[in-house]
Amino acid sequence: GAGVSQSPRYKVAKRGQDVALRCDPISGHVSLFWYQQALGQGPEFLTYFQNEAQLDKSGLPSDRFFAERPEGSVSTLKIQRTQQEDSAVYLCASSLAGANEQFFGPGTRLTVL
Amino acid sequence: QQQVKQSPQSLIVQKGGISIINCAYENTAFDYFPWYQQFPGKGPALLIAIRPDVSEKKEGRFTISFNKSAKQFSLHIMDSQPGDSATYFCAATAGGTSYGKLTFGQGTILTVHP
Repeated sequence: GAGVSQSPRYKVAKRGQDVALRCDPISGHVSLFWYQQALGQGPEFLTYFQNEAQLDKSGLPSDRFFAERPEGSVSTLKIQRTQQEDSAVYLCASSLAGANEQFFGPGTRLTVL
Repeated sequence: QQQVKQSPQSLIVQKGGISIINCAYENTAFDYFPWYQQFPGKGPALLIAIRPDVSEKKEGRFTISFNKSAKQFSLHIMDSQPGDSATYFCAATAGGTSYGKLTFGQGTILTVHP
């Protein structure tokens, strides 16, 4: 079956613009994670959903970052008033309920000019 | 707070050699330790994982060695191939209320020369 998909794959934004990044998890995966990967670094946790419930948003760097998963499948990560420090690859991962193995999407590379 | 430290940052080996990457962790609540492989422009892909109740796990050319008392674990790639050239990340997670949130190391860029 299809893996985790993310769109767009690349996004260039001017500083101050709002962006929306989409994640389509593997069908049937209850858990969904967002990670931020800066250049040359390991991914860092942003937020976690179990179905439509956002159970942990402790990794979101500021209140400009907002994530939702209204129907428990597709998720959107929104960044308002983008800043240059938001430039990174944003990774989405999904997993079965109670499973440790997370399947990652290819990521969205965001560049803020 | 860096809870998983990975070394070396980069590693060059010859084809057929052994690649060794090391990680150390601080949080004793961690109970699942995966290694991920990432190629440029791709997301991380799970290679192999271990739980602290075993000291070693082998899958094909990939072996994890785990030392619970030292809070260290390592990845060994036997008979390294040019196709293994990628960035490798160790990670860790705790069960219970952590629900699988992964804490990653900084990554090791592996280059295997033919």
